[in-house]
Amino acid sequence: AQRVTQPEKLLSVFKGAPVELKCNYSYSGSPELFWYVQYSRQRLQLLLRHISRESIKGFTADLNKGETSFHLKKPFAQEEDSAMYYCAPLYNFNKFYFGSGTKLNVKP
Amino acid sequence: GAGVSQSPRYKVAKRGQDVALRCDPISGHVSLFWYQQALGQGPEFLTYFQNEAQLDKSGLPSDRFFAERPEGSVSTLKIQRTQQEDSAVYLCASSSPTRDIQREQYFGPGTRLTVT
Repeated sequence: AQRVTQPEKLLSVFKGAPVELKCNYSYSGSPELFWYVQYSRQRLQLLLRHISRESIKGFTADLNKGETSFHLKKPFAQEEDSAMYYCAPLYNFNKFYFGSGTKLNVKP
Repeated sequence: GAGVSQSPRYKVAKRGQDVALRCDPISGHVSLFWYQQALGQGPEFLTYFQNEAQLDKSGLPSDRFFAERPEGSVSTLKIQRTQQEDSAVYLCASSSPTRDIQREQYFGPGTRLTVT
């Protein structure tokens, strides 16, 4: 079975501190890796995807196939980054398996 | 343009009642997905349509759950004889893989179902 592990349910950091949200996935084929974010009272939305190798809102994520990890990082957290973050490998081109999510709380 | 919409936004049902949840995908999106999100959990895949064809229903938890998309646009998720464990937020998402080869899914606001 495909599994996604986000070990931290809650991550609290101070504004300006670095942040890393961990994600490990079980290996089956070659999933595409995504991070989705849900801000308070908003719908789930795409943050970034590994295939684009992009940086969105200062966030980056490195795919490590050896460790089957796709950790999300930002060097300097901002208060507006407070949200729920979900790691989501995409299998078979259409089926997302979402992790249980990490709530990021950035304190002033 | 308009995003994915879902109705109703909130539904309270008594145990044993049938419910129907509606999803209007983004116009032109051929793929439509349903997810169930229990409290404190991430969304879990239920089923997937490409146009009107239901290509994957492996995530439907029981035969009380039924989804349809008869004309390839609007979709309805029906739950018969609701049970308390059906209480969750039901999310709909759509995508257009022919235009977005990276397969981003656009989510609706969800329907929060509470079974009493």
